[in-house]
Amino acid sequence: DGGITQSPKYLFRKEGQNVTLSCEQNLNHDAMYWYRQDPGQGLRLIYYSQIVNDFQKGDIAEGYSVSREKKESFPLTVTSAQKNPTAFYLCASRAGGYNEQFFGPGTRLTVL
Amino acid sequence: QQPVQSPQAVILREGEDAVINCSSSKALYSVHWYRQKHGEAPVFLMILLKGGEQKGHEKISASFNEKKQQSSLYLTASQLSYSGTYFCGTENPGGEYGNKLVFGAGTILRVKS
Repeated sequence: DGGITQSPKYLFRKEGQNVTLSCEQNLNHDAMYWYRQDPGQGLRLIYYSQIVNDFQKGDIAEGYSVSREKKESFPLTVTSAQKNPTAFYLCASRAGGYNEQFFGPGTRLTVL
Repeated sequence: QQPVQSPQAVILREGEDAVINCSSSKALYSVHWYRQKHGEAPVFLMILLKGGEQKGHEKISASFNEKKQQSSLYLTASQLSYSGTYFCGTENPGGEYGNKLVFGAGTILRVKS
């Protein structure tokens, strides 16, 4: 079955630690995205990548970093510079052109 | 700029209809609609493209007024399963790979029995 996987589903970290969230897709999609969602809020774009080895900052990139070394993978690192990292993180992917965008199941990050 | 959704929240009884609106201040190429249930990821409902093409679930209907830069999602004969938060995502004309989606703040829909 084709789809987007994110792991882990729940993640707990101590303040000041960097943490990497995984996102993998086997849909052969060119574009991949990371969003952050806070309770009762909408979706805010952190980073996106439209092709391998290239990515752009979204609206709230500060304190985050990404890489896109393979088409199917787009990991997100939440660094200690992110002041309030506790949130629900969603990865999404999309085929080239103006097509549907699909979301992974999400990772809920809690920083203690 | 974030699109504006209205209403912010709506409560329905089973079988009633609802309309959710999404309005943008910028020219649009496409509008995407999603439904999100509490604690879960958004689920794709429909994409409406400039020029009239639509792709999505057959039980969902929506409209896209390119001139007014608006889209509306029509939920008819609502069921309990329709409850959730509905988001529109708008896309401006862009390059070969399309462009990033900008999401509205969401409309909370609650269907009661």
